[in-house]
Amino acid sequence: ILNVEQSPQSLHVQEGDSTNFTCSFPSSNFYALHWYRWETAKSPEALFVMTLNGDEKKKGRISATLNTKEGYSYLYIKGSQPEDSATYLCASSNNAGNMLTFGGGTRLMVKP
Amino acid sequence: DVKVTQSSRYLVKRTGEKVFLECVQDMDHENMFWYRQDPGLGLRLIYFSYDVKMKEKGDIPEGYSVSREKKERFSLILESASTNQTSMYLCASSLVQGYQPQHFGDGTRLSIL
Repeated sequence: ILNVEQSPQSLHVQEGDSTNFTCSFPSSNFYALHWYRWETAKSPEALFVMTLNGDEKKKGRISATLNTKEGYSYLYIKGSQPEDSATYLCASSNNAGNMLTFGGGTRLMVKP
Repeated sequence: DVKVTQSSRYLVKRTGEKVFLECVQDMDHENMFWYRQDPGLGLRLIYFSYDVKMKEKGDIPEGYSVSREKKERFSLILESASTNQTSMYLCASSLVQGYQPQHFGDGTRLSIL
């Protein structure tokens, strides 16, 4: 079983603040790192899937980086908006078959 | 858009009952998954299937079984429901490669009384 950890567990920010959170995962036999956003009463939605060390992906105000050698990924949100309030999940796989191990999530609350 | 449909959003059952949770996907995905989500524990994999009639145990398979008779449908079965199986259950599907994202259903909140 992979041990994937996310920090912080929860985060309160003001609208307009930029924020970031961390996902750490075992670097041995790494295959892919996934980020998902899970809004209340909706289904988790894929944000990014990254496989290469040094990879950086961006989707609007959200971006993510990946360091496979040291086993961590950062998710950044620039200029947070209330609609960014959600739980952000990361998950790692160590094989090509898409079996993921999820971290506990970071719950982000953005106050207007 | 990929659609993953779970049969119920909310379900209440009694201890000892046999419970079926159904999941259907419409994108011809090879992989299908069942997770449960409990506060502070993230998503934990119960079972997954990579093809019709094929299944693999996840991290917490005890007390559960699964059935995949058709490619689009993956059922989770609680053989004899117990109160510690009260949880949110999520189904997901994906293409077979590990760099493909998983697509989730809306979840079933199951309460066992």
